[in-house]
Amino acid sequence: LAKTTQPISMDSYEGQEVNITCSHNNIATNDYITWYQQFPSQGPRFIIQGYKTKVTNEVASLFIPADRKSSTLSLPRVSLSDTAVYYCLVMDTGRRALTFGSGTRLQVQP
Amino acid sequence: GAVVSQHPSRVICKSGTSVKIECRSLDFQATTMFWYRQFPKQSLMLMATSNEGSKATYEQGVEKDKFLINHASLTLSTLTVTSAHPEDSSFYICSGLYSGVKNIQYFGAGTRLSVL
Repeated sequence: LAKTTQPISMDSYEGQEVNITCSHNNIATNDYITWYQQFPSQGPRFIIQGYKTKVTNEVASLFIPADRKSSTLSLPRVSLSDTAVYYCLVMDTGRRALTFGSGTRLQVQP
Repeated sequence: GAVVSQHPSRVICKSGTSVKIECRSLDFQATTMFWYRQFPKQSLMLMATSNEGSKATYEQGVEKDKFLINHASLTLSTLTVTSAHPEDSSFYICSGLYSGVKNIQYFGAGTRLSVL
């Protein structure tokens, strides 16, 4: 299983763009990169998934360089409600299980 | 995104009793569901993989006789914590695998189990 490494915590202010980078040096050819958001006492919420280059949806963008050894989740203009833990995961397509790392605890301040 | 419903959201029970947690995929068929456990301030830990119509696959260190998993239909998986003890108190979260070009897991809201 490809292991991921991401910062333990980040601080930001409302209205700023937040970029969270994740390292996954051992990613396999068939693996996808998936990001989840988790609020306290709730299940993780799917944010975005990508394989290479750039993926954008209504809540975030995901940037993946050509070597795919890292990825960056970009949250535009964060608000207080974006305070949460963000997990970067690499999908083991064979096993289809997710291995959660420690995640990045994002604190957004007014 | 797809919706997974988990019930109950919170349960308090006495030591020695059994507790059943249900996980339903509401708008998709989930041939595979997963059960996770999360302790305070920690990340999610995979307990088992549940496949419809077959036995669950448990992670190392998870007692299959204590955590009974049944996946009788394409939309329902249940986790029964048998003879619960205080150390089983935790946040249990299920997910359903939405299979397509990309495999995406959608999670339930979780169940807070407190064993007295």
